Amino acid sequence: QVQLMQSGAEVKKPGASVKVSCKTSGYSYTSNFIHWVRQAPGQGLEWMGRFNPNTGDAVYSQRFQGRVTMTGDTPVSTGYMELSSLKSDDTAVYYCARQFVGGLDYWGQGALITVSS
Amino acid sequence: QSVLTQPPSVSGSPGQSVTISCTGTTSDVGGYNYVSWYQQHPGKGPKVIIYDVSHRPSGVPDRFSGSKSGNTASLTVSGLQGEDEADYYCSSYRDNNILVFGGGTKLTVL
Repeated sequence: QVQLMQSGAEVKKPGASVKVSCKTSGYSYTSNFIHWVRQAPGQGLEWMGRFNPNTGDAVYSQRFQGRVTMTGDTPVSTGYMELSSLKSDDTAVYYCARQFVGGLDYWGQGALITVSS
Repeated sequence: QSVLTQPPSVSGSPGQSVTISCTGTTSDVGGYNYVSWYQQHPGKGPKVIIYDVSHRPSGVPDRFSGSKSGNTASLTVSGLQGEDEADYYCSSYRDNNILVFGGGTKLTVL
C-alpha cells in the first residue's frame, strides 16, 4: 500500500535550518509529484511547493522563495524539504503529500518543527 | 489571508445537508477543474474527500459531493453524521503550477 513516512519532530533555534524527509513506498516514486504543506498551531493549511521526482524540478510558493529547497533521492524513494533562516512563526507541522491527478491523495504523518530560542 | 475564501464555520443537525463554499478567481477555481476538498479531524492529518471538482476517492461515502460554478466551488455533505464534524479545506491549482488553499471551515454537527 502507498505510504509516506516522514522524519521526526525537531526543535531548532531562530536562524537555523531544518531538513525534513519523506520516504515513499508502495508506488513508483518518480511517477507522482510530492507536495509540501505546513500547518501552524491552530491555523489552516499552507502550500509551500512541489517537487517533481522524475525531473528534479521544483516549484515554490512565492512566500517561501529563497528560503526553501525541495529535493529527492530516487534510489531510496525519498523527498526532502529544507527550510532556512527559521523564525518563530515557522513553528508548524510540516506534511508531505503525493499528487494524484489534481489532488493530494496520500499524506505523510507530519513532522512538528518547533523554532524557539 | 488565504487565497481561496471559505466560511469560517457551518453547522447542521444529524441527517441534514450542509454546503461549504470556496470562492476564488479565474486564475484558480474558475480556470481549472482541479479543485480538491480535504477533511481534517482534530490532531489528525488531512484526508482527500473530493478531487478534480467532483470525483470521490474510493472509500469516501457518497454523502460527500462536489461541484463548481464559475469561480466558486462547493462541497455538500448530505445526511450529516457525528463523524463528519471536522475542519474542511478546499484547494485549487492556480496559474504557474501553484497550489492554493482556502482558510478552512469548521463543520459542527449539532
